[in-house]
Amino acid sequence: NAGVMQNPRHLVRRRGQEARLRCSPMKGHSHVYWYRQLPEEGLKFMVYLQKENIIDESGMPKERFSAEFPKEGPSILRIQQVVRGDSAAYFCASSPQGDRGLSGYTFGSGTRLTVV
Amino acid sequence: QKEVEQDPGPLSVPEGAIVSLNCTYSNSAFQYFMWYRQYSRKGPELLMYTYSSGNKEDGRFTAQVDKSSKYISLFIRDSQPSDSATYLCAMEETSGSRLTFGEGTQLTVNP
Repeated sequence: NAGVMQNPRHLVRRRGQEARLRCSPMKGHSHVYWYRQLPEEGLKFMVYLQKENIIDESGMPKERFSAEFPKEGPSILRIQQVVRGDSAAYFCASSPQGDRGLSGYTFGSGTRLTVV
Repeated sequence: QKEVEQDPGPLSVPEGAIVSLNCTYSNSAFQYFMWYRQYSRKGPELLMYTYSSGNKEDGRFTAQVDKSSKYISLFIRDSQPSDSATYLCAMEETSGSRLTFGEGTQLTVNP
């Protein structure tokens, strides 16, 4: 089990293009969370998804950002018409279904988006 | 006011020192408290996870939670150069909900 897999590791987009970030959770984990880390800032929650459901998207900007976690395949964070302010590290975390006990969340290594 | 406050440092200590890292918070609904370590260009790695008030020890690491003061701490004993990283506190209201992070404290342990 390779843990939470995120790709690509680095992504460069020109202003106005679309960015698609992918996250495959750990085997057996059905809960996925996306966080954004801006330079010199802590991680900020964006969205919490289960398979085919968005549970909490209160941290997502209302425009240009969307997320999905289909029945098959990875979770996708999509940013349309990117702007320079979207440049950040985007981290995905996963956790198992039900009572997590004290196992916490497992984070991926992140996707570093640079908008030029 | 931020929900979680953490001194960003940087903090520089000699090898073998005891390190104390702290966070304060304002949301009394937080029940679960975590410390993550993040190496440069990597994802956060869970170090300690505690529920409610009390202490928890794991090797050289001790986590303390004081809910009455809304204050949590992480102590690192006999610090090593390999402990050099950014340490993030994180909290959540209920298990499986969103995490609220502190800004992170950058720690350097000098050989």
